[in-house]
Amino acid sequence: GAGVSQTPSNKVTEKGKYVELRCDPISGHTALYWYRQSLGQGPEFLIYFQGTGAADDSGLPNDRFFAVRPEGSVSTLKIQRTERGDSAVYLCASSLGRATYNEQFFGPGTRLTVL
Amino acid sequence: GQNIDQPTEMTATEGAIVQINCTYQTSGFNGLFWYQQHAGEAPTFLSYNVLDGLEEKGRFSSFLSRSKGYSYLLLKELQMKDSASYLCAVRDYRSNYQLIWGAGTKLIIKP
Repeated sequence: GAGVSQTPSNKVTEKGKYVELRCDPISGHTALYWYRQSLGQGPEFLIYFQGTGAADDSGLPNDRFFAVRPEGSVSTLKIQRTERGDSAVYLCASSLGRATYNEQFFGPGTRLTVL
Repeated sequence: GQNIDQPTEMTATEGAIVQINCTYQTSGFNGLFWYQQHAGEAPTFLSYNVLDGLEEKGRFSSFLSRSKGYSYLLLKELQMKDSASYLCAVRDYRSNYQLIWGAGTKLIIKP
């Protein structure tokens, strides 16, 4: 595709439910990032994949959050037992590689609302 | 620790010039990025600085001083479509080369 795509664009769920957020990166991009962004704040790093492996998951807030990228392309962010504090826009980004000058291309985000 | 500071909001007039400042404190500086984010949309890349000096790209320029922990984004000939948030992000090699983001500067352009 032309850019990074994310589905769904909006997700409303109830406290305690399980959600999955999907990211389809730009073809050929080996690096994939998940961030979350609250209103009026910059993106907060969650996890970084290089290929199929999670190279850095230090930003995941707790063990309710998990992400996979089984074939090195599409990634899924999974949140168990959602809490109201999980409400945010979840952004996915991809880049050609990990080189420092590589810009990250962002998807449109998934707005998650936990009631 | 790590800290990135930007003004919360700025206002400028169409056709004018505006400078958005960013100061940072990191122990492992490895490059600075500026991104533009329109309301409800994803951030889009504007510029990258790793060496001191000015990088010019059309109406937008970005400056870096590593010794001062300081950068600015300069926008010339402002257009109404430049109304957006501008995010400063620093790559830190002591944080596994991840980007540390500022909260962004909301720029309001008035006719």
